[in-house]
Amino acid sequence: AQKITQTQPGMFVQEKEAVTLDCTYDTSDQSYGLFWYKQPSSGEMIFLIYQGSYDEQNATEGRYSLNFQKARKSANLVISASQLGDSAMYFCAMREADNTDKLIFGTGTRLQVFP
Amino acid sequence: NAGVMQNPRHLVRRRGQEARLRCSPVKGHSHVYWYRQLPEEGLKFMVYLQKENIIDESGMPKERFSAEFPKEGPSILRIQQVVRGDSAAYFCASYRDGNTEAFFGQGTRLTVV
Repeated sequence: AQKITQTQPGMFVQEKEAVTLDCTYDTSDQSYGLFWYKQPSSGEMIFLIYQGSYDEQNATEGRYSLNFQKARKSANLVISASQLGDSAMYFCAMREADNTDKLIFGTGTRLQVFP
Repeated sequence: NAGVMQNPRHLVRRRGQEARLRCSPVKGHSHVYWYRQLPEEGLKFMVYLQKENIIDESGMPKERFSAEFPKEGPSILRIQQVVRGDSAAYFCASYRDGNTEAFFGQGTRLTVV
């Protein structure tokens, strides 16, 4: 069965520093997609970044980059130059390649950015 | 979050009542998913629908829960005879064939008292 593991329940980072949020996954599929979502205290789910299993380059979106290490089955999110507004829950997710494309989520990491 | 609309945002129900949660996907999106988030947990898949069809309901409890996505109108998640354990945030997501990103609504927070 496919599984997403986020081992960091909480992380602290100082403003303007970079932070890495860990995500490992387990799948026997060759084709899959990996996502990161941000959930601020207001509760909505905000899409941040996507990495396809066949993408050779690591995905980047502004201050977000995904450190994709396929052999290690890891898809860590790197946030550069942290801002106070980055304080939120962050969820890693994988899209199942079973014709349903449903997402499997990790348990999340709560990031707190301090001045 | 390009246009997935969920309502209501907050819903309070007494034990035994029915809860109806609505989701209007992004215009042109034919795939709708419902997820449930219990407090302090990640989202868990419940059901996947296309217009007038339930494709996968493997994550939905067998009793009291049902979902539909009619030809016209929003997708509805219906919970009958709610219990306290149904208290959670319920998210709807939609996407279009060929897209990588699923767009999420803002969620409905159900509280059962």
